[in-house]
Amino acid sequence: QVQLVESGGGLVKPGGSLRLSCAASGFTFSDYYMSWIRQAPGKGLEWVSYISTSGTTIYSADSVKGRFTISRDNAKNSLYLQMNSLRAEDTAVYYCARDKGVEAAHHFDYWGQGTLVTVSS
Amino acid sequence: SYELTQPPSVSVSPGQTARITCSGDALPKQYAYWYQQKPGQAPVLVIYKDTERPSGIPERFSGSSSGTTVTLTISGVQAEDEADYYCQSADSSSTYVVFGGGTKLTVL
Repeated sequence: QVQLVESGGGLVKPGGSLRLSCAASGFTFSDYYMSWIRQAPGKGLEWVSYISTSGTTIYSADSVKGRFTISRDNAKNSLYLQMNSLRAEDTAVYYCARDKGVEAAHHFDYWGQGTLVTVSS
Repeated sequence: SYELTQPPSVSVSPGQTARITCSGDALPKQYAYWYQQKPGQAPVLVIYKDTERPSGIPERFSGSSSGTTVTLTISGVQAEDEADYYCQSADSSSTYVVFGGGTKLTVL
């Protein structure tokens, strides 16, 4: 069965950095786009970034552009999010999601359970 | 930037029909998707491509589209359907992903 397991969240000071990881299993990872989506405490869902199957196509939301970088390692079935220059407003649960963008418009059929990132001094 | 607009809340009694709308200028050209999220859980896809239902999603969940508005309909609402519901689509260039603000469904 499809499994997505995020890790790497935690408490970080404003201006700091953090790298999130997502371990995928139960499907052919290299056949799918992947996305990061976040949810601030008590707020709605916000798409962060997606990456194509080979990693050559990447798009990110304006709110994180220039600060966050998505990447993947198909040999390790893993997705990453490097977060730099973190701000208080980046505090959220970060979800890794399988993105159906190869065969259809971007949407998300499997989600991980999320990892909490807290940006605070 | 492109936005999808949902009502913040909808309330229905058990057995009634709940309708949750989502409006956006690009919806005539872009498919919409709907997710259900219960407290403390990850979202679950309940409708894709405006009207299609993934396997395992009850038949009482359906979707429709008309112009700039898409609608999630839950027929014969059950207590277990109480959750937040989010629509999702893309901008007119099909590049950027957008979520609606979410609708809290309360089963009275």
